[in-house]
Amino acid sequence: EVQLVESGGGLVQPGGSLRLSCVASGFTFSSYSMNWVRQAPGKGLEWVSYIQYGTGTIYYADSVKGRFTISRDNAKNSLYLQMNSLRAEDTAVYYCARDYYGSGSFGDYWGQGTLVTVS
Amino acid sequence: IQMTQSPSSVSASVGDRVTINCRASQAISNWLAWYQKKPGKAPKLLMYSASNLQSGVPSRFSGSGSGTEFTLIISSLQPEDFATYFCQQASNFPLTFGGGTKVEIK
Repeated sequence: EVQLVESGGGLVQPGGSLRLSCVASGFTFSSYSMNWVRQAPGKGLEWVSYIQYGTGTIYYADSVKGRFTISRDNAKNSLYLQMNSLRAEDTAVYYCARDYYGSGSFGDYWGQGTLVTVS
Repeated sequence: IQMTQSPSSVSASVGDRVTINCRASQAISNWLAWYQKKPGKAPKLLMYSASNLQSGVPSRFSGSGSGTEFTLIISSLQPEDFATYFCQQASNFPLTFGGGTKVEIK
């Protein structure tokens, strides 16, 4: 069974940092690209970042570029999101999602999310 | 690429046919997905590549469209379908979502 479990969320002051983790199981993590997607309270879904499984190609949303860093450790079946210079508008539930086609496509499996509150 | 969904909300009864529309600001071929989102739950992929039903999703869900106009249809609304639905384009980075359509009980 495919499972994605996020952790690392919490309450942080503006300007602070957090590192989110997403541990994958039930599939060959190294063969899949991954995404981070967030949902602010009462708002819609917002794609945050993508990392490709093979080349390690990375993309970011403009809203987080220069502040967030996505990475992965295939040996640990883990995806990370280092978040620096946090702002109130970064407050959201953050989800990791497996990329269906691998090239930046659709999230076929999602974690349960981890809440980040910047206040 | 901007994704515009309509309506933003719809009130419907069990058994009703519900249609949700999604428009892309530029052509995205069939690089479109639909998700169902319930409060406190992870998004669930319903349709991918515009018209492909994700494994395990009931056949009352269907998707169509190509280019800039897309539609999600729930043929006979069930109690578990009351949720918010989002479209998402995967033609180009940044990946972008529509604003959502909330399906409420009438």
